[in-house]
Amino acid sequence: AAGVIQSPRHLIKEKRETATLKCYPIPRHDTVYWYQQGPGQDPQFLISFYEKMQSDKGSIPDRFSAQQFSDYHSELNMSSLELGDSALYFCASTHTGTGKGSHEQYFGPGTRLTVT
Amino acid sequence: GDSVTQMEGPVTLSEEAFLTINCTYTATGYPSLFWYVQYPGEGLQLLLKATKADDKGSNKGFEATYRKETTSFHLEKGSVQVSDSAVYFCALSLYSGYSTLTFGKGTMLLVSP
Repeated sequence: AAGVIQSPRHLIKEKRETATLKCYPIPRHDTVYWYQQGPGQDPQFLISFYEKMQSDKGSIPDRFSAQQFSDYHSELNMSSLELGDSALYFCASTHTGTGKGSHEQYFGPGTRLTVT
Repeated sequence: GDSVTQMEGPVTLSEEAFLTINCTYTATGYPSLFWYVQYPGEGLQLLLKATKADDKGSNKGFEATYRKETTSFHLEKGSVQVSDSAVYFCALSLYSGYSTLTFGKGTMLLVSP
C-alpha cells in the first residue's frame, strides 16, 4: 500500500539559511499534519491542513510557514534556521472527510534536518 | 491542557518476558487513544488504537485497554522478542473536526536474547 512520502530524507543547512521540506500524503487523504521531534523527545505538533486550508496550529515558530497544494501535497518552509531547529520532521496524513470518530494518522519516514 | 504521561525508560527485558508500559492521560473531552512505535532510525508506526471506554486495541501480540475510570491505556505483551526493541509512544486525539495528536515522552524498550 502507498505510504506517506517525505523528501528529502536528510538535509544539512547552515544557520540563517532556508529549507523546504515536502510531504506527499497517502492517496485520497485530505489532511496533512507536521510534527517536529527533537533528539530524545516526543513529536510536537506544528501545523495541519485540511483541503488546502490551515486547520490547526501548534508550536510552529513564526520563521516557519507551510501550505497544502491542490494535489494535497504539503511543504514546510523554514527560514533563518537556528541550531535548535535540528530535528526530525514528520509529516502525517489522514482522511478527515465529513465523518466523526478517530482518524488515525499515518506517518512518513521523516526528514532529518541538521543545522550547523 | 491535554497531556499524556508514560513511564520513563528504558525498560530492559529478556526475551519472552512480560511487558507493561504504563500510560495515563488528561483530556478535556473524550479522546481516542493510540500507541505508536518507532524503530531506530525510522518513522512512527501506528501499533494499536481504542476509541471508546473498555475498547481493547490489539496488534502483533500487543494489547491495551481504554480505561476511562483510571484514565489509562497501558500497553502489554505476554512474550516480548528482540525485534520489539523500539521506542513506544502513547498518544491521544480529541476530535474537534481535526485530530491533532498529543504524545507522551516515549518509553524505550530494550529486549535482550
